[in-house]
Amino acid sequence: QAVVTQEPSVTVSPGGTVTLTCDSSTGAVTSGHRPYWFQQKPGQAPRILIYDTTQRHSWTPARFSGSLLGGKAALTLSGAQPEDEADYHCFLSYGGLYYVFGSGTKVTVL
Amino acid sequence: QMQLVQSGAEVKEPGASVKVSCKASGYTFTSADIHWVRQAAGQGLEWMGWVTPGDGHGRLAQKFQGRVSITRDTAINTVYMELSSLRSEDTAVYFCARRGVFDPWGQGTLVTVSS
Repeated sequence: QAVVTQEPSVTVSPGGTVTLTCDSSTGAVTSGHRPYWFQQKPGQAPRILIYDTTQRHSWTPARFSGSLLGGKAALTLSGAQPEDEADYHCFLSYGGLYYVFGSGTKVTVL
Repeated sequence: QMQLVQSGAEVKEPGASVKVSCKASGYTFTSADIHWVRQAAGQGLEWMGWVTPGDGHGRLAQKFQGRVSITRDTAINTVYMELSSLRSEDTAVYFCARRGVFDPWGQGTLVTVSS
């Protein structure tokens, strides 16, 4: 089974930009993995931010964008706000049958 | 609106089984797969498996094969996740989520395994 790796933690200044990445042990992440990104705050269920690599949910602020970058899935936060402080989880589909979560990234806005 | 409501917290002894339910409302039950995910305290998310409510078929993560069963009851729009041979490492919050764009999620069910 694949192992999906994310940065353990990142810190971004208010108004700043940060990119989180999502790497698969099986090789390059492609659109075929249908990368998802979830935001999770303490005590809450995860909430979808990005699906199918680049698609925002209706509630996803425009400052969040998804992409593929150097063989990885990426989530870019441009213009960080204090309320963006949370854990971010990537999620990859393997053939539409099996799925794997990344290790998660804790984002601090400071 | 679409909603998934899970059953309440459980406390089980090691070696026992637990069955968590996930009741869907606000949409056609058979229109999307239901996935199960768990999260131990302070840890990341772990994907467990999914079921297609229409035919009951699905897949389990390799780690859970032989110990997890995901079933559904279409008469009451409910999916179940049963985990057997519980051990302390299974203590976690268990979530269900609707495939499509993985929205909505259930509120989570805390399963505590302790003697």
